[in-house]
Amino acid sequence: QLQLQESGPGLVKPSETLSLTCTVSGASISSSSNHYWGWIRQPPGKGLEWIGTISYSGTTYYTPSLKSRLTISIDMSRNQFSLNLSSVTAADTAVYYCATPNPYSSSIHYWGQGTLVTVSA
Amino acid sequence: QSALTQPASVSGSPGQSTIISCTGTSSDVGAYNYVSWYQQHPGKAPKLIIYDVSGRPSGVSNRFSGSKSGSTASLTISGLQAEDEADYYCSSYATSSTPVVFGGGTKLTVL
Repeated sequence: QLQLQESGPGLVKPSETLSLTCTVSGASISSSSNHYWGWIRQPPGKGLEWIGTISYSGTTYYTPSLKSRLTISIDMSRNQFSLNLSSVTAADTAVYYCATPNPYSSSIHYWGQGTLVTVSA
Repeated sequence: QSALTQPASVSGSPGQSTIISCTGTSSDVGAYNYVSWYQQHPGKAPKLIIYDVSGRPSGVSNRFSGSKSGSTASLTISGLQAEDEADYYCSSYATSSTPVVFGGGTKLTVL
């Protein structure tokens, strides 16, 4: 059974970089052609927002509104993928989920439990 | 503003059926049979309940069903139960560069 677990700081200062890691168990990132690897966020009391996705070959897809500040990468040796969002503001405060968008349909069968990141001085 | 439009809230009594709509465009919902639905209880991660318009993952109750007509997808929940009270989100494949778009979410209240 594929499982995902987010990790990273719960508090980030404005203008700094938000960095999160998702550890994958039950599947190998490098050989799992049935999954892409992605990030979704949910501001408190609001809806889901797709942030970006990375394929097993390293191709990235970013939401246009965050593209200039966003980097998603894969560490195959650790079976992890990561999110870096630079120059954060209070608007980036959200629960961040790592997830597995299907390469063809984008349906997401597996989600991490989510981690709350607060941007505050 | 979300890419897909859902009603903010719906309600129903136990045992009844309710339908949640999800309206997109000819570039997303209308173009592909790749609509998904997610159920989210407070403080929990979303759970996939419908994929590819009408597919149901293993373990999901057959009280949940999905359909699509043109650029509008629908989630039907029959035989409402108290445990169905949650937020529901639709999503669709959109483009190769923006593969995932979500609806704004619908809060289901079981009266």
